[in-house]
Amino acid sequence: DAGITQSPRHKVTETGTPVTLRCHQTENHRYMYWYRQDPGHGLRLIHYSYGVKDTDKGEVSDGYSVSRSKTEDFLLTLESATSSQTSVYFCAISESNSGITDTQYFGPGTRLTVL
Amino acid sequence: QKEVEQDPGPLSVPEGAIVSLNCTYSNSAFQYFMWYRQYSRKGPELLMYTYSSGNKEDGRFTAQVDKSSKYISLFIRDSQPSDSATYLCAMSQGGSEKLVFGKGTKLTVNP
Repeated sequence: DAGITQSPRHKVTETGTPVTLRCHQTENHRYMYWYRQDPGHGLRLIHYSYGVKDTDKGEVSDGYSVSRSKTEDFLLTLESATSSQTSVYFCAISESNSGITDTQYFGPGTRLTVL
Repeated sequence: QKEVEQDPGPLSVPEGAIVSLNCTYSNSAFQYFMWYRQYSRKGPELLMYTYSSGNKEDGRFTAQVDKSSKYISLFIRDSQPSDSATYLCAMSQGGSEKLVFGKGTKLTVNP
Protein backbone atom coordinates (compact mmCIF):
# COMPACT_ATOMS: atom_id res chain seq x y z
CA ASP A 1 0.00 0.00 0.00
CA ALA A 2 2.91 2.36 -0.82
CA GLY A 3 3.67 3.20 2.82
CA ILE A 4 0.17 4.39 3.63
CA THR A 5 -1.79 3.35 6.69
CA GLN A 6 -5.30 4.27 7.70
CA SER A 7 -6.85 4.08 11.14
CA PRO A 8 -9.20 2.81 12.23
CA ARG A 9 -9.82 0.18 9.57
CA HIS A 10 -13.40 -0.33 10.68
CA LYS A 11 -15.68 1.84 12.75
CA VAL A 12 -19.33 1.76 13.72
CA THR A 13 -20.74 4.92 15.21
CA GLU A 14 -24.04 6.59 15.88
CA THR A 15 -25.67 9.50 14.11
CA GLY A 16 -24.58 12.83 15.54
CA THR A 17 -21.25 11.72 16.96
CA PRO A 18 -17.94 13.16 15.76
CA VAL A 19 -15.57 10.84 13.93
CA THR A 20 -11.94 11.32 12.94
CA LEU A 21 -10.14 9.14 10.43
CA ARG A 22 -6.38 9.20 10.18
CA CYS A 23 -4.10 8.72 7.19
CA HIS A 24 -0.39 8.27 7.77
CA GLN A 25 2.30 8.08 5.06
CA THR A 26 5.96 7.25 5.21
CA GLU A 27 6.74 8.41 1.65
CA ASN A 28 7.13 12.13 2.39
CA HIS A 29 4.78 12.88 -0.54
CA ARG A 30 3.45 16.41 -0.80
CA TYR A 31 -0.12 15.64 -1.86
CA MET A 32 -2.66 13.73 0.18
CA TYR A 33 -6.30 13.02 -0.65
CA TRP A 34 -9.43 11.71 0.99
CA TYR A 35 -11.99 9.84 -1.14
CA ARG A 36 -15.17 8.01 -0.39
CA GLN A 37 -16.29 5.02 -2.43
CA ASP A 38 -19.93 4.05 -2.73
CA PRO A 39 -21.77 1.61 -4.99
CA GLY A 40 -22.99 3.38 -8.09
CA HIS A 41 -20.83 6.44 -7.46
CA GLY A 42 -17.29 5.17 -7.64
CA LEU A 43 -14.51 7.16 -6.02
CA ARG A 44 -15.34 10.74 -5.10
CA LEU A 45 -12.86 13.29 -3.81
CA ILE A 46 -13.74 14.81 -0.44
CA HIS A 47 -10.75 17.01 0.37
CA TYR A 48 -7.11 17.14 -0.52
CA SER A 49 -3.93 18.71 0.78
CA TYR A 50 -0.98 20.13 -1.14
CA GLY A 51 1.21 20.76 1.88
CA VAL A 52 1.22 21.25 5.62
CA LYS A 53 -1.76 23.39 6.58
CA ASP A 54 -2.72 23.71 2.88
CA THR A 55 -6.00 22.04 2.06
CA ASP A 56 -8.83 22.42 -0.42
CA LYS A 57 -12.28 21.01 -1.09
CA GLY A 58 -13.20 18.24 -3.47
CA GLU A 59 -16.54 17.44 -5.05
CA VAL A 60 -18.27 16.07 -1.92
CA SER A 61 -16.83 18.13 0.95
CA ASP A 62 -20.06 19.07 2.77
CA GLY A 63 -20.09 17.63 6.30
CA TYR A 64 -16.35 16.94 6.29
CA SER A 65 -13.30 18.86 7.47
CA VAL A 66 -9.61 18.05 7.24
CA SER A 67 -6.37 19.02 8.88
CA ARG A 68 -2.72 18.49 8.07
CA SER A 69 -0.29 19.62 10.74
CA LYS A 70 2.53 17.33 9.62
CA THR A 71 3.61 16.09 6.19
CA GLU A 72 2.91 12.49 7.13
CA ASP A 73 -0.57 12.85 8.63
CA PHE A 74 -3.88 13.87 7.07
CA LEU A 75 -6.99 13.77 9.24
CA LEU A 76 -10.58 13.61 8.04
CA THR A 77 -13.26 14.67 10.53
CA LEU A 78 -16.98 14.16 10.37
CA GLU A 79 -18.20 16.77 12.86
CA SER A 80 -21.61 15.16 13.28
CA ALA A 81 -21.88 11.86 11.47
CA THR A 82 -24.99 11.08 9.42
CA SER A 83 -26.16 7.80 7.89
CA SER A 84 -25.38 9.19 4.40
CA GLN A 85 -21.71 9.19 5.41
CA THR A 86 -21.70 5.42 5.73
CA SER A 87 -19.05 4.52 3.19
CA VAL A 88 -15.56 3.22 2.59
CA TYR A 89 -12.99 6.00 2.92
CA PHE A 90 -9.67 5.88 1.10
CA CYS A 91 -6.64 8.02 1.59
CA ALA A 92 -4.28 8.54 -1.33
CA ILE A 93 -0.92 10.21 -1.82
CA SER A 94 1.01 11.57 -4.76
CA GLU A 95 4.35 13.20 -5.29
CA SER A 96 2.94 16.08 -7.27
CA ASN A 97 -0.01 17.05 -9.40
CA SER A 98 1.62 17.19 -12.79
CA GLY A 99 3.33 14.85 -15.17
CA ILE A 100 4.12 11.27 -14.31
CA THR A 101 3.76 12.04 -10.65
CA ASP A 102 0.04 12.59 -11.14
CA THR A 103 -0.36 8.97 -10.18
CA GLN A 104 -1.95 8.41 -6.84
CA TYR A 105 -1.30 5.56 -4.43
CA PHE A 106 -4.06 4.42 -2.15
CA GLY A 107 -4.28 3.22 1.41
CA PRO A 108 -6.20 0.11 2.51
CA GLY A 109 -9.41 2.00 3.37
CA THR A 110 -11.59 2.59 6.40
CA ARG A 111 -15.05 1.08 6.47
CA LEU A 112 -17.36 3.44 8.37
CA THR A 113 -20.91 2.62 9.37
CA VAL A 114 -23.13 5.32 10.84
CA LEU A 115 -26.22 3.92 12.55
CA GLN B 1 -22.85 13.55 -20.10
CA LYS B 2 -20.50 12.38 -17.35
CA GLU B 3 -16.83 13.20 -17.76
CA VAL B 4 -15.79 9.55 -17.65
CA GLU B 5 -18.02 6.61 -18.56
CA GLN B 6 -17.18 3.04 -17.72
CA ASP B 7 -19.43 0.01 -18.10
CA PRO B 8 -19.80 -1.48 -14.59
CA GLY B 9 -20.26 -5.01 -15.92
CA PRO B 10 -20.09 -7.48 -14.33
CA LEU B 11 -17.88 -9.22 -16.84
CA SER B 12 -17.31 -12.95 -16.52
CA VAL B 13 -14.78 -14.81 -18.69
CA PRO B 14 -13.11 -18.24 -18.70
CA GLU B 15 -9.49 -18.58 -17.72
CA GLY B 16 -7.16 -17.87 -20.64
CA ALA B 17 -9.53 -15.46 -22.37
CA ILE B 18 -8.51 -12.06 -23.66
CA VAL B 19 -10.29 -9.35 -21.70
CA SER B 20 -11.04 -5.88 -23.00
CA LEU B 21 -12.00 -3.12 -20.57
CA ASN B 22 -12.91 0.34 -21.80
CA CYS B 23 -13.64 3.90 -20.80
CA THR B 24 -14.88 6.87 -22.76
CA TYR B 25 -14.47 10.47 -21.75
CA SER B 26 -15.71 13.86 -22.79
CA ASN B 27 -12.92 16.24 -21.73
CA SER B 28 -10.43 16.59 -24.57
CA ALA B 29 -7.93 18.20 -22.17
CA PHE B 30 -7.20 14.89 -20.44
CA GLN B 31 -3.60 13.90 -21.05
CA TYR B 32 -2.76 11.35 -18.35
CA PHE B 33 -4.55 8.02 -18.26
CA MET B 34 -4.36 5.34 -15.62
CA TRP B 35 -5.82 1.96 -14.83
CA TYR B 36 -6.24 0.82 -11.27
CA ARG B 37 -7.06 -2.66 -10.05
CA GLN B 38 -9.06 -3.07 -6.86
CA TYR B 39 -9.48 -6.40 -5.15
CA SER B 40 -12.47 -6.88 -2.89
CA ARG B 41 -12.13 -4.95 0.38
CA LYS B 42 -8.76 -3.49 -0.66
CA GLY B 43 -7.56 -0.10 -1.87
CA PRO B 44 -7.07 0.56 -5.59
CA GLU B 45 -3.56 -0.21 -6.85
CA LEU B 46 -1.99 1.42 -9.88
CA LEU B 47 -1.75 -1.02 -12.78
CA MET B 48 -0.91 1.02 -15.86
CA TYR B 49 -0.04 4.63 -16.63
CA THR B 50 -0.07 6.26 -20.07
CA TYR B 51 0.62 9.76 -21.21
CA SER B 52 -1.26 11.05 -24.27
CA SER B 53 -2.10 8.65 -27.10
CA GLY B 54 -0.58 5.30 -27.91
CA ASN B 55 -0.04 1.88 -26.44
CA LYS B 56 1.81 0.66 -23.41
CA GLU B 57 2.50 -2.96 -22.61
CA ASP B 58 3.45 -4.55 -19.31
CA GLY B 59 3.46 -8.33 -19.26
CA ARG B 60 -0.05 -9.58 -19.96
CA PHE B 61 -1.50 -6.07 -19.77
CA THR B 62 -1.76 -3.53 -22.59
CA ALA B 63 -3.17 -0.03 -22.22
CA GLN B 64 -4.35 1.88 -25.27
CA VAL B 65 -5.33 5.52 -25.56
CA ASP B 66 -7.14 6.95 -28.58
CA LYS B 67 -7.48 10.67 -27.91
CA SER B 68 -9.19 11.32 -31.23
CA SER B 69 -12.05 9.05 -30.17
CA LYS B 70 -11.76 9.90 -26.45
CA TYR B 71 -11.51 6.20 -25.70
CA ILE B 72 -9.12 4.19 -23.57
CA SER B 73 -8.78 0.44 -23.23
CA LEU B 74 -7.08 -2.11 -21.05
CA PHE B 75 -6.41 -5.55 -22.52
CA ILE B 76 -5.56 -8.56 -20.39
CA ARG B 77 -4.11 -11.54 -22.24
CA ASP B 78 -4.25 -15.10 -20.91
CA SER B 79 -6.51 -13.99 -18.07
CA GLN B 80 -6.09 -15.72 -14.73
CA PRO B 81 -8.46 -16.19 -11.77
CA SER B 82 -6.12 -13.84 -9.86
CA ASP B 83 -7.14 -11.09 -12.29
CA SER B 84 -10.65 -11.16 -10.81
CA ALA B 85 -11.11 -7.65 -9.44
CA THR B 86 -12.71 -4.31 -10.20
CA TYR B 87 -10.81 -2.23 -12.73
CA LEU B 88 -11.01 1.56 -12.52
CA CYS B 89 -9.93 3.95 -15.21
CA ALA B 90 -8.70 7.39 -14.17
CA MET B 91 -7.54 10.42 -16.06
CA SER B 92 -6.22 13.91 -15.52
CA GLN B 93 -5.42 17.09 -17.37
CA GLY B 94 -2.27 17.46 -15.33
CA GLY B 95 -1.27 20.70 -13.68
CA SER B 96 -3.57 21.50 -10.79
CA GLU B 97 -6.42 19.34 -12.01
CA LYS B 98 -7.41 16.27 -10.09
CA LEU B 99 -7.90 12.68 -11.18
CA VAL B 100 -11.32 11.79 -12.50
CA PHE B 101 -12.28 8.17 -12.01
CA GLY B 102 -14.63 5.87 -13.84
CA LYS B 103 -16.99 3.86 -11.65
CA GLY B 104 -15.16 0.62 -12.31
CA THR B 105 -15.81 -2.66 -14.13
CA LYS B 106 -16.07 -5.83 -12.07
CA LEU B 107 -14.26 -8.74 -13.73
CA THR B 108 -14.46 -12.40 -12.79
CA VAL B 109 -12.14 -14.94 -14.42
CA ASN B 110 -13.48 -18.45 -13.97
CA PRO B 111 -11.04 -21.39 -13.66
